Amino acid sequence: EIVLTQSPDFLSVTPKEKVTITCRASQSTGSSLHWYQQKPDQSPKLLIKYASQSIPGVPSRFSGSGSGTDFTLTINSLEAEDAATYYCHQSSDLPFTFGPGTKVDIK
Amino acid sequence: EVQLVQSGAELKKPGESLKISCKASGYIFTSYWIGWVRQMPGKGLEWMGLIYPDDSDTKYSPSFQGQVTISVDKSINTAYLQWNSLKASDTAMYYCAKKISGYGYVDFWGQGTLVTVSS
Repeated sequence: EIVLTQSPDFLSVTPKEKVTITCRASQSTGSSLHWYQQKPDQSPKLLIKYASQSIPGVPSRFSGSGSGTDFTLTINSLEAEDAATYYCHQSSDLPFTFGPGTKVDIK
Repeated sequence: EVQLVQSGAELKKPGESLKISCKASGYIFTSYWIGWVRQMPGKGLEWMGLIYPDDSDTKYSPSFQGQVTISVDKSINTAYLQWNSLKASDTAMYYCAKKISGYGYVDFWGQGTLVTVSS
């Protein structure tokens, strides 16, 4: 099973700051690594597919990079509405797995 | 418009059985894998398994193999998640999720079904 680790676990940031969340896989996932945002009491929402591909309707301040085992989600100029938990997810190999999540809080 | 509408919240006792549903609309149900994801209270997302509605090919994550059953009814575009004997530790929110392909990302999520198991 591919284990995903995320860092940090928690971030408290002020609006307009830049946020970087990393996801590391225990073995290569190629580019089959995706990012989701989950706000309290909501279903997850797809932010980035295949490591770096943008999703229509998702603000351009969200971007992704990486391949193989190391990936990054970047939020440029954080907004208050970005308070959420962010998960990476690998679909390279069964069983599919999620990272433990990174909670982003707005100061 | 793609929609995944899940059945309502359930309160059950340990040992009871349960089947929750996820009704799909707005796309060709038999052409896309559907998965189930568990989220225990205050915890992260866990992939449980997925099914291909056209032929019911099902793949379970090892942690959930033998603990739940995933099925579909193609005639009504509905996927199911079933337990034969619930435990308190099954208390969680359960999401159905449509995948773009077997090894692709999830593009749509259901609204979630809260299952509470308590004596």
